[in-house]
Amino acid sequence: QVKLLQSGAALVKPGDSVKMSCKASGYTFTDYIIHWVKQSHGKSLEWIGYINPYSGGTNYNEKFKSKATLTVDKSSSTAYMEFSRLTSEDSAIYYCARRSSFDYWGQGVMVTVSS
Amino acid sequence: DIQMTQSPSFLSASVGDRVTINCKASQNINRYLNWYQQKLGEAPKLLIYNANSLQTGIPSRFSGSGSGTDFTLTISSLQPEDVATYFCLQHNSWPYTFGAGTKLELK
Repeated sequence: QVKLLQSGAALVKPGDSVKMSCKASGYTFTDYIIHWVKQSHGKSLEWIGYINPYSGGTNYNEKFKSKATLTVDKSSSTAYMEFSRLTSEDSAIYYCARRSSFDYWGQGVMVTVSS
Repeated sequence: DIQMTQSPSFLSASVGDRVTINCKASQNINRYLNWYQQKLGEAPKLLIYNANSLQTGIPSRFSGSGSGTDFTLTISSLQPEDVATYFCLQHNSWPYTFGAGTKLELK
């Protein structure tokens, strides 16, 4: 069955970067785009961007263009998101999701930015 | 950016009730509207895609309708396991945007 398994929670200092992973299984990784979504504590969801695992092509929400970098490793069916220059506003849960319909989601990565 | 206005923000209903949740887009999004259910501590789950298509494995008491700017999610007979927050998502144009969510509780 389709699964997106994300990396574990991260505690990082302001100004640092964090890189999280999303390992896909149960389907052909290069068939569908992978989205990344931010959910701030108790709040709604924000679309960060997506990556096409086949081509490596990306599309970012302008709001996150200078903050997020999306990459993939086709050999391990894993998508990555690196978030840079972290501030307290970046403390949130980050999800990966598959396809234009966001039909399957990872379990989420809780990122806490604190000194 | 397209703004998605979701209502109500909070809803309390009894088991067996018919429940409706609305999303209004700030401009025409055709039928590119999905609905998700998020239970406490879990990732969102796709219920309805492209306004009215039921995702595989989702109970038939869930349905969606609408096109253009106005959309509705209906639960025909509320069950205890439906307690959750519900979100809409427009994927007509970038950046994709979500509604603020409707928290559904049992009365």
